[in-house]
Amino acid sequence: EDKVVQSPLSLVVHEGDTVTLNCSYEVTNFRSLLWYKQEKKAPTFLFMLTSSGIEKKSGRLSSILDKKELFSILNITATQTGDSAVYLCATNTGNQFYFGTGTSLTVIP
Amino acid sequence: GAGVSQSPRYKVAKRGQDVALRCDPISGHVSLFWYQQALGQGPEFLTYFQNEAQLDKSGLPSDRFFAERPEGSVSTLKIQRTQQEDSAVYLCASSLETLLVNTEAFFGQGTRLTVV
Repeated sequence: EDKVVQSPLSLVVHEGDTVTLNCSYEVTNFRSLLWYKQEKKAPTFLFMLTSSGIEKKSGRLSSILDKKELFSILNITATQTGDSAVYLCATNTGNQFYFGTGTSLTVIP
Repeated sequence: GAGVSQSPRYKVAKRGQDVALRCDPISGHVSLFWYQQALGQGPEFLTYFQNEAQLDKSGLPSDRFFAERPEGSVSTLKIQRTQQEDSAVYLCASSLETLLVNTEAFFGQGTRLTVV
């Protein structure tokens, strides 16, 4: 059975802190891994990762994939209150995007 | 349209009532997905369309759930004889390509269904 596991389940940090969110996966047909940010509305796309070791970066957010160890991390530096959200990891398995349960991040001023 | 549009945004149904949820994907997007998201959980896959063809419906929880995309654009998710456990947010997503290539999905705002 396919699995996508995210950790931690929730995290509370102060503004300015750096956080690392983890996503491990075991799927039978891996094509890519995606990160989404979900506030009280639709998940919004952050990154798509297909190759090991190549960092994707957008402002204070970055992500990398390890296809040998089957995990990805999402880093957020200098966190702001606007980063508070649920961060979802998903894999493209060829017939669906298979999601983890998400990491709930709260950034305190 | 500019994004994925879902309607209604909120629906309250009495137990046993039938409901229909609508999704307008981004124009030209080949793939369309329906997900069910319970509070505090990640989206759970329901079904996947490639154009008008329903390629995977393995996530539909029972035969009360039915989805269609007859012209390869707008899709409707129908739930018959709703039960309280059907209460959730129903998310629709579309992507430009099929899942055989690396592509991202764009989500609508969801329909929050509450069965009372």
